[in-house]
Amino acid sequence: DAKTTQPNSMESNEEEPVHLPCNHSTISGTDYIHWYRQLPSQGPEYVIHGLTSNVNNRMASLAIAEDRKSSTLILHRATLRDAAVYYCILRDPNYGGSQGNLIFGKGTKLSVKP
Amino acid sequence: DAGVIQSPRHEVTEMGQEVTLRCKPISGHDYLFWYRQTMMQGLELLVYFNNKAVMDDSGMPKDRFSAKMPNASFSTLKIQPSEPRDSAVYFCASSRRTTNEKLFFGSGTQLSVL
Repeated sequence: DAKTTQPNSMESNEEEPVHLPCNHSTISGTDYIHWYRQLPSQGPEYVIHGLTSNVNNRMASLAIAEDRKSSTLILHRATLRDAAVYYCILRDPNYGGSQGNLIFGKGTKLSVKP
Repeated sequence: DAGVIQSPRHEVTEMGQEVTLRCKPISGHDYLFWYRQTMMQGLELLVYFNNKAVMDDSGMPKDRFSAKMPNASFSTLKIQPSEPRDSAVYFCASSRRTTNEKLFFGSGTQLSVL
């Protein structure tokens, strides 16, 4: 299975942008990059996903390197409510088995300081 | 939509007892997933269903765990007999398709086996 590498933890100040990195050097051509986050005492929630082009939605932006070996989740203006564990996950839609499903790593624990 | 509904929110039981966790997926979602989260292992996929049929249960201990989906709006995860090492938060999630459709997670069941 393609693996991702994320820093264990990061800190940010409230109202500042946050760049959460993810390395996935063994990504295949059909792997999509998904991001989920898990707030304290809650289930994970979807943030964003993409294949090659940068993606934006109301929650965040996803910047994908040209070689696709790394990506960055961008929170444009961190709030205290963004404090969570952020997971970067590779997902291959061509597989119906476990490779096509969400396999979570350890993620990055983001702390936001007021 | 009410989202994915899990019950109970908390369960405390004694070793050897039977435990049943319940999940109601979002209406219209064909896929249902059961995850387990512990501090040591993080989020692990136990089993998933497509249209009520088990597609992959390779992550589920077969000797004591069983998962069923008798209809499109209800699933159970049963542990019999329960052991202290089963203590974890169990999450249920659903999606319309596995191929890059985002998963919606429930709030989880906190299970403590004494």
